[in-house]
Amino acid sequence: AQTVTQSQPEMSVQEAETVTLSCTYDTSESDYYLFWYKQPPSRQMILVIRQEAYKQQNATENRFSVNFQKAAKSFSLKISDSQLGDAAMYFCAYTGANSKLTFGKGITLSVRP
Amino acid sequence: DVKVTQSSRYLVKRTGEKVFLECVQDMDHENMFWYRQDPGLGLRLIYFSYDVKMKEKGDIPEGYSVSREKKERFSLILESASTNQTSMYLCASSLWGTGPNTEAFFGQGTRLTVV
Repeated sequence: AQTVTQSQPEMSVQEAETVTLSCTYDTSESDYYLFWYKQPPSRQMILVIRQEAYKQQNATENRFSVNFQKAAKSFSLKISDSQLGDAAMYFCAYTGANSKLTFGKGITLSVRP
Repeated sequence: DVKVTQSSRYLVKRTGEKVFLECVQDMDHENMFWYRQDPGLGLRLIYFSYDVKMKEKGDIPEGYSVSREKKERFSLILESASTNQTSMYLCASSLWGTGPNTEAFFGQGTRLTVV
């Protein structure tokens, strides 16, 4: 079974600084997708970024980028120029051939003004 | 825009009641999911459905059942609600497979309190 691990329960970053959120996963599949989701206080889960396992290039969406290390089964999210609106829970997630979506425990990110 | 709609945002039920949580999606997605979210435990999968009338148990199916009679609707049923089922429930849907547009879309969540 696939597992997703987010070992840091909380992190804090100064506004305008950069922060990296860690995620590791375990799988025996070769074709899969990884995602980072954001859950603000409104509770609505929002997709931040996705990465296909077969793509060597790390995904980027504006201030958000990932560091995908397939051999190490690591998938970290970097947030550049942090903004107050980035404060939320962030979840790392995995989906493979059976389409089941498995989540990590999440990390609460706070942004200091 | 994809919409996933959960029938209630807040719900209070009594112990022993039968509880129905409804979820509807409008994007013709094959997959639908029910998760439970608790502090420190993340999102745990209760049940997953990949087609009408098809279902698979997730990580914590005990005390729950599901129904998917139509493609767009996925119901979570608590046969006899207990206080340990007080939680946030999230519904999601996605396309089948691992293509580029197979991310999950979520409803707004139902915070269920069992008293």
